[in-house]
Amino acid sequence: KQEVTQIPAALSVPEGENLVLNCSFTDSAIYNLQWFRQDPGKGLTSLLLIQSSQREQTSGRLNASLDKSSGRSTLYIAASQPGDSATYLCAVEYSGGGADGLTFGKGTHLIIQP
Amino acid sequence: GAGVSQSPRYKVAKRGQDVALRCDPISGHVSLFWYQQALGQGPEFLTYFQNEAQLDKSGLPSDRFFAERPEGSVSTLKIQRTQQEDSAVYLCASSSRNRGNEKLFFGSGTQLSVL
Repeated sequence: KQEVTQIPAALSVPEGENLVLNCSFTDSAIYNLQWFRQDPGKGLTSLLLIQSSQREQTSGRLNASLDKSSGRSTLYIAASQPGDSATYLCAVEYSGGGADGLTFGKGTHLIIQP
Repeated sequence: GAGVSQSPRYKVAKRGQDVALRCDPISGHVSLFWYQQALGQGPEFLTYFQNEAQLDKSGLPSDRFFAERPEGSVSTLKIQRTQQEDSAVYLCASSSRNRGNEKLFFGSGTQLSVL
């Protein structure tokens, strides 16, 4: 069974810092990995999707990397801003059979202090 | 519409009551998913539709949970005889491709509280 772990569970940093969120998964048989953002009381917004054949994706101040063989991904946020405060969720789409849909981690709760 | 719409936004039910949660996906999206998110946890997969066909319902926690998408657009998740452990946010998501490799678009969810 695919399991996804995110570290740290919570993070609080001053505005302007660069930061890294970590995600690991137990089975490398994946179609893709996605990073989502969830604001309180809201649904999820897809930030970046990395196909299994890709190594990284970038969007603005966000950069996500994927090392499928080691089962790891990182989300790098440059020059953090208070508006980046949210919960960040990592999810993989498993290609090894079984249930459809994504397997999510529990998320990293990020607070950017003004 | 512009995004995935879910209703109601909040639902309070007495234990044993039946509830129905609605999802309007983005127009033309083939794939539709339901997820359950408990407090402090990541979403967990419940069921998946491709058009009107329910291709995977392996995540439904019990036979009290039932989902349908009769015309391949709007979907309803029904929970019969609700229990306190059913309290969670129920999220609906849609995408334009048959399977995977495509960003999912999520609704804001229905927060269900069973008393």
